[in-house]
Amino acid sequence: RKEVEQDPGPFNVPEGATVAFNCTYSNSASQSFFWYRQDCRKEPKLLMSVYSSGNEDGRFTAQLNRASQYISLLIRDSKLSDSATYLCVVNNNFNKFYFGSGTKLNVKP
Amino acid sequence: DVKVTQSSRYLVKRTGEKVFLECVQDMDHENMFWYRQDPGLGLRLIYFSYDVKMKEKGDIPEGYSVSREKKERFSLILESASTNQTSMYLCASRTPGGATQTYEQYFGPGTRLTVT
Repeated sequence: RKEVEQDPGPFNVPEGATVAFNCTYSNSASQSFFWYRQDCRKEPKLLMSVYSSGNEDGRFTAQLNRASQYISLLIRDSKLSDSATYLCVVNNNFNKFYFGSGTKLNVKP
Repeated sequence: DVKVTQSSRYLVKRTGEKVFLECVQDMDHENMFWYRQDPGLGLRLIYFSYDVKMKEKGDIPEGYSVSREKKERFSLILESASTNQTSMYLCASRTPGGATQTYEQYFGPGTRLTVT
């Protein structure tokens, strides 16, 4: 079983739409959680850390559900520039990070 | 801003060659990582280092070695390149974390290695 699982998509949405991605993780002892954004043929870039109480950064909201072992990312008012692959990342101890394979988002005009 | 640089964006090598990939970070981070990324497999950890001259194997260390002689520099070595090592190689460094901070990784731009 993979440590982190994501729906690969693609999610095709119009500009202005709200879209949500989920990610599940297998290790209940996981400590830290992140969403990264990766553009085609570029490196992953940290989008946001995910905190237990949930957190928001502009149009992006991240939630953590420890009981069900999933994290989510909600993007409101999608922009063309949001088109990318979104990676879910789980940290199990200080140097063990597990990456999902990514969810591809296409925002269409 | 954290800056992680890698020596080459694209590299083409022949089977059997010894290949060196260099990574440098400018944030005085103790922890550095080498991953490879392949379609459908996500990022997989090859090696990491938690201090100068200290290293630990990741999930797929076979065919690779690493060197950390200076804090800012972490090198990945392919002892004898093979075609199944054709991949995107990503270096990362990690924030120190602590009581109120999570451990966050920052990546270099990647090296796309092709072994023919």
